[in-house]
Amino acid sequence: GQNIDQPTEMTATEGAIVQINCTYQTSGFNGLFWYQQHAGEAPTFLSYNVLDGLEEKGRFSSFLSRSKGYSYLLLKELQMKDSASYLCAVSNTGGFKTIFGAGTRLFVKA
Amino acid sequence: DTGVSQDPRHKITKRGQNVTFRCDPISEHNRLYWYRQTLGQGPEFLTYFQNEAQLEKSRLLSDRFSAERPKGSFSTLEIQRTEQGDSAMYLCASSLVGGDRPNQPQHFGDGTRLSIL
Repeated sequence: GQNIDQPTEMTATEGAIVQINCTYQTSGFNGLFWYQQHAGEAPTFLSYNVLDGLEEKGRFSSFLSRSKGYSYLLLKELQMKDSASYLCAVSNTGGFKTIFGAGTRLFVKA
Repeated sequence: DTGVSQDPRHKITKRGQNVTFRCDPISEHNRLYWYRQTLGQGPEFLTYFQNEAQLEKSRLLSDRFSAERPKGSFSTLEIQRTEQGDSAMYLCASSLVGGDRPNQPQHFGDGTRLSIL
């Protein structure tokens, strides 16, 4: 079967660092995406990992371990505007179909 | 790049009616996806097109759902004989893939929110 697990909710403080974990079991693997989705808005692309290791992009970093079926999204210097849902999504072999997790709702408090 | 646009933004209809949604992808994108999203869940894959060809359709999609992309540009998603369980946000996304770009992030539209009375 295909399954993506991520925590339902997380709370963190402005200025802090938060790590959102994602584990997956999918039929084939051709990359893992992280998207941000504010309430009532469309998902927007944050990061993409296809090889093991860390990808850094400004305040956001994403890590992948294919052997463990595991990824995390690291958000540094949290801002109030980072309050949103963070979606972990896995692309299957050929990149044809993308399976999304249910998302992690992040609340950033002052 | 004007982004992915979807129409209408909201649709309210009675159970049993047919509805049709339209998606205009980013013009140079060759892949177009349809998803359904309910509150507290991630987008659920429905179907996708490579140019005008519909290459995969979710097994979750009943025969009441049909999608087209006749000229490889805009796409329509039709739901026949709507049921209350069809109430959801319907998202369209597009991407440009091929050659040395086998897997690219998807750009999403703002969605069509469907409410079945």
